[in-house]
Amino acid sequence: ETGVTQTPRHLVMGMTNKKSLKCEQHLGHNAMYWYKQSAKKPLELMFVYSLEERVENNSVPSRFSPECPNSSHLFLHLHTLQPEDSALYLCASSQGTGGPGQTEAFFGQGTRLTVV
Amino acid sequence: GQNIDQPTEMTATEGAIVQINCTYQTSGFNGLFWYQQHAGEAPTFLSYNVLDGLEEKGRFSSFLSRSKGYSYLLLKELQMKDSASYLCAVGLSWGKLQFGAGTQVVVTP
Repeated sequence: ETGVTQTPRHLVMGMTNKKSLKCEQHLGHNAMYWYKQSAKKPLELMFVYSLEERVENNSVPSRFSPECPNSSHLFLHLHTLQPEDSALYLCASSQGTGGPGQTEAFFGQGTRLTVV
Repeated sequence: GQNIDQPTEMTATEGAIVQINCTYQTSGFNGLFWYQQHAGEAPTFLSYNVLDGLEEKGRFSSFLSRSKGYSYLLLKELQMKDSASYLCAVGLSWGKLQFGAGTQVVVTP
């Protein structure tokens, strides 16, 4: 497999459920990201991991819990979500930690999450 | 505050040229990215500008003026498959991207 792979592609969960989103990158990158894409709104950065350490939590509620066990895998654990959390969740990876000459991020296909 | 503005929608005919403008005000700047996103798919990288000027890549070109906080993406010889959302994004620390809301381009026959 190549690129960035996300599973599942679609997820419907109740407000009391616990579920996890998985992301895997096969590009040898050292940084991984979770973004949220809601209808008619810009992509919003949620979390940044660089070299497996969380370097940013963009004021995301604690019902979203990320985990990065190694440089190739990233998870987003979900519990007690609200209907307004329904959105497309995109994982991305890039090489380097930013700065002039920043390299592009590669995105996965996303998980379409519906909270009922 | 941080702001990235681009038009919501643009319509053009097949074979024509369309220019999508993007203005930005951000607290950091590591370059300006353009991504293409078809409905239900992942955003895919189109171009990157970190210095002022024009970058040309086939039918697509991108321009940056850092002093004006302005960029544009130029799509030439439009094809039906170019119908998509085009996302302007500013690169920040740690490789983060701050996105505009996207411009939906509709190509008509």
